[in-house]
Amino acid sequence: EAGVTQFPSHSVIEKGQTVTLRCDPISGHDNLYWYRRVMGKEIKFLLHFVKESKQDESGMPNNRFLAERTGGTYSTLKVQPAELEDSGVYFCASSQDRQGLGGYTFGSGTRLTVV
Amino acid sequence: DQQVKQNSPSLSVQEGRISILNCDYTNSMFDYFLWYKKYPAEGPTFLISISSIKDKNEDGRFTVFLNKSAKHLSLHIVPSQPGDSAVYFCAASASGGSNYKLTFGKGTLLTVNP
Repeated sequence: EAGVTQFPSHSVIEKGQTVTLRCDPISGHDNLYWYRRVMGKEIKFLLHFVKESKQDESGMPNNRFLAERTGGTYSTLKVQPAELEDSGVYFCASSQDRQGLGGYTFGSGTRLTVV
Repeated sequence: DQQVKQNSPSLSVQEGRISILNCDYTNSMFDYFLWYKKYPAEGPTFLISISSIKDKNEDGRFTVFLNKSAKHLSLHIVPSQPGDSAVYFCAASASGGSNYKLTFGKGTLLTVNP
């Protein structure tokens, strides 16, 4: 079974530019989550999709962040325009059931550096 | 305001000995707790979990203990192996919500010395 795939693994952009991160969840997983870890801090929840619908986006920092999940398959997270404080590692995770009692499966993350 | 706290940024133990990683939480709505292990340049990997109706869950070398009254949980690794060296994250969720989003601690870097 293929795991959760994230692309790119690294991205360095200038302040003010736009970046789009992509996540391909495990096939058949309806639940998709985005998390972010700013260096040295905890991993923080951003949002949760159930299929193509946003279930909870309470963790999104501001309206510069836009997440989509086309057709309930892969998801993208766009940051426009990027600011320095957006730097961090963005993790995507998926689970088959909403409860995720067995724990989510995380991707390897996208390390975003805004300079 | 951190709802899940891992107060030890790092821990170093000798191979074969016990590793004890601690975690405290403040939100009484949390009723499910998980531990994740993370190697550099990889995503967190689920390790073990415990429901609030239990006080202990064991899986091989890994045991998680939950003390609800103290709002404290711990992960015991016995015996510790060099391959256990990683960052360990404690996480919690509240099942009463519409989803099972996780609240993480900052992590503890475990180093197991040969």
